[in-house]
Amino acid sequence: DTGVSQNPRHKITKRGQNVTFRCDPISEHNRLYWYRQTLGQGPEFLTYFQNEAQLEKSRLLSDRFSAERPKGSFSTLEIQRTEQGDSAMYLCASSLGIMNTEAFFGQGTRLTVV
Amino acid sequence: AQKITQTQPGMFVQEKEAVTLDCTYDTSDPSYGLFWYKQPSSGEMIFLIYQGSYDQQNATEGRYSLNFQKARKSANLVISASQLGDSAMYFCAMSYEPGGSNYKLTFGKGTLLTVNP
Repeated sequence: DTGVSQNPRHKITKRGQNVTFRCDPISEHNRLYWYRQTLGQGPEFLTYFQNEAQLEKSRLLSDRFSAERPKGSFSTLEIQRTEQGDSAMYLCASSLGIMNTEAFFGQGTRLTVV
Repeated sequence: AQKITQTQPGMFVQEKEAVTLDCTYDTSDPSYGLFWYKQPSSGEMIFLIYQGSYDQQNATEGRYSLNFQKARKSANLVISASQLGDSAMYFCAMSYEPGGSNYKLTFGKGTLLTVNP
């Protein structure tokens, strides 16, 4: 296993378009997290899954955002009607969800809304 | 609510010297975990070191050590014998649960470390 994989790495879209990002976690990891990182800031938590169940969503996740993790494997994050303020790096992480184990992050998807 | 403060936007260090990156935190939770991550220009977050709020001893991982002062609510990262490859953004973060089982993390704004030859 080569780690957490995110696709695409870069996405440029016009304002108002919908975009979808994919995250493939490490195969045995049952927890999956999404973060957003804007320029000059640390990552901010968006949502996380335990297997296929979405257990928590941040208030940052407006109605235009939706995340899924069908069958508890890969996850998708969709943004509808993109706005310029959505421009950011979207990071995915996965973990075993047990004590004393670390989470592994992907390289992120950088979204630019023009 | 949890809050992480990193007051050093940028730090410079000479190769082979030690450097301390500051981190203070605020939480009303009795149990929490503290993390340091490195983010090179390629973007991925690389785990460096972890400290649980109930851990008696400061965490160490190779050249990294975490200077945990609970009463002062500080969790500074010390990098010994800096290398050119250490140049990156460094983030301090905390979780609601000790032990690292829940990675819903609150991050600081980061410190950009530059190692000079």
